[in-house]
Amino acid sequence: AQTVTQSQPEMSVQEAETVTLSCTYDTSESDYYLFWYKQPPSRQMILVIRQEAYKQQNATENRFSVNFQKAAKSFSLKISDSQLGDAAMYFCAYKMDGNKLVFGAGTILRVKS
Amino acid sequence: GAGVSQSPRYKVAKRGQDVALRCDPISGHVSLFWYQQALGQGPEFLTYFQNEAQLDKSGLPSDRFFAERPEGSVSTLKIQRTQQEDSAVYLCASSSIWDGGEQYFGPGTRLTVT
Repeated sequence: AQTVTQSQPEMSVQEAETVTLSCTYDTSESDYYLFWYKQPPSRQMILVIRQEAYKQQNATENRFSVNFQKAAKSFSLKISDSQLGDAAMYFCAYKMDGNKLVFGAGTILRVKS
Repeated sequence: GAGVSQSPRYKVAKRGQDVALRCDPISGHVSLFWYQQALGQGPEFLTYFQNEAQLDKSGLPSDRFFAERPEGSVSTLKIQRTQQEDSAVYLCASSSIWDGGEQYFGPGTRLTVT
């Protein structure tokens, strides 16, 4: 069975600084998708960034980028120029095509002004 | 509405009562998923529909949980004889087939069983 591990329960970052959230996963599949979702307090889950496993190039969305290491089964999220609005719970998730998402336990990100 | 909607947003039930949670997916989305999220945890998969067909219900925790999507659009998650351990946020998500499977989430229903 696929598992997703987020080893950092909480992280803090100073406004305008850079922070990296870690995620590792376990799978025997070769073709799959990885996601980072953001869930602000009492608000709904939104997609931050997506990576297809067959693509070697790391995905980037504005201030958000990933470091995808397929052999190491590692998928970290880097947030540059952190903003107060980035404060939230971040979930790493794994999905095989057409199927359910398997989530990690989440990392709470606090942004200090 | 452009997004996934869920109702009610909050539900308080006495132990033993039945509850029904509704999900309206994004129009045209073929796939619909239900997840259960305990406080401070990541969501856990409950069940998955493609159109009206329930293709995977492996995550339903007991036979007290039942989901349906009779016309391939709106879905209802029903919990019979609620127990305290059922207290959680129930998330619904939908996706199309064509965009790499990105799932769009609703705001969730927070169920509290007293």
